[in-house]
Amino acid sequence: NAGVTQTPKFQVLKTGQSMTLQCAQDMNHEYMSWYRQDPGMGLRLIHYSVGAGITDQGEVPNGYNVSRSTTEDFPLRLLSAAPSQTSVYFCASSYRTQATGELFFGEGSRLTVL
Amino acid sequence: RKEVEQDPGPFNVPEGATVAFNCTYSNSASQSFFWYRQDCRKEPKLLMSVYSSGNEDGRFTAQLNRASQYISLLIRDSKLSDSATYLCVVNFPTGRRALTFGSGTRLQVQP
Repeated sequence: NAGVTQTPKFQVLKTGQSMTLQCAQDMNHEYMSWYRQDPGMGLRLIHYSVGAGITDQGEVPNGYNVSRSTTEDFPLRLLSAAPSQTSVYFCASSYRTQATGELFFGEGSRLTVL
Repeated sequence: RKEVEQDPGPFNVPEGATVAFNCTYSNSASQSFFWYRQDCRKEPKLLMSVYSSGNEDGRFTAQLNRASQYISLLIRDSKLSDSATYLCVVNFPTGRRALTFGSGTRLQVQP
């Protein structure tokens, strides 16, 4: 049982480059989300989706795009990487709305922007 | 003021000790509360939900105080394996349908 799978686990980018962080879940969860975690700041919500074809912005959406064409996949795109986007990124899913459901996290993607 | 505040620690305790963490939240309309555990360089995992009447899971007890807007986590008989960061998580009733995470309290249990 894979759960939530994120790729890549590590990535180094130069300022201005673009890339996509992949997230896939095999639990048929409707809810998926992306967080970033920085020292001393906790996890902050970037974007989320409550089902295929539906996405919305979280707390810190600037510089990131998402799409949800299938229930399983929720990729996060960095349009033009900046050093401020150096962080650990977590994808998470839930079988129901977050408020009452357990969040299942991927193992994280560690991104460094030079 | 942060929406969810935790003492970052670290809390250094010997094995067998009892340790308690508090977490305060800013929105009195919050309805759901959780404690997550995060090991070093790993993903967060749900430890337990926090119910209005308080709840217990083995050595772990969670309490909610709505009047003072804080939740607590008590760990009894600490084990080395309890060493981790404990994240306080609160639902904020906004259009984001999101849970808000505290920055975590680090616990180090020493032999």
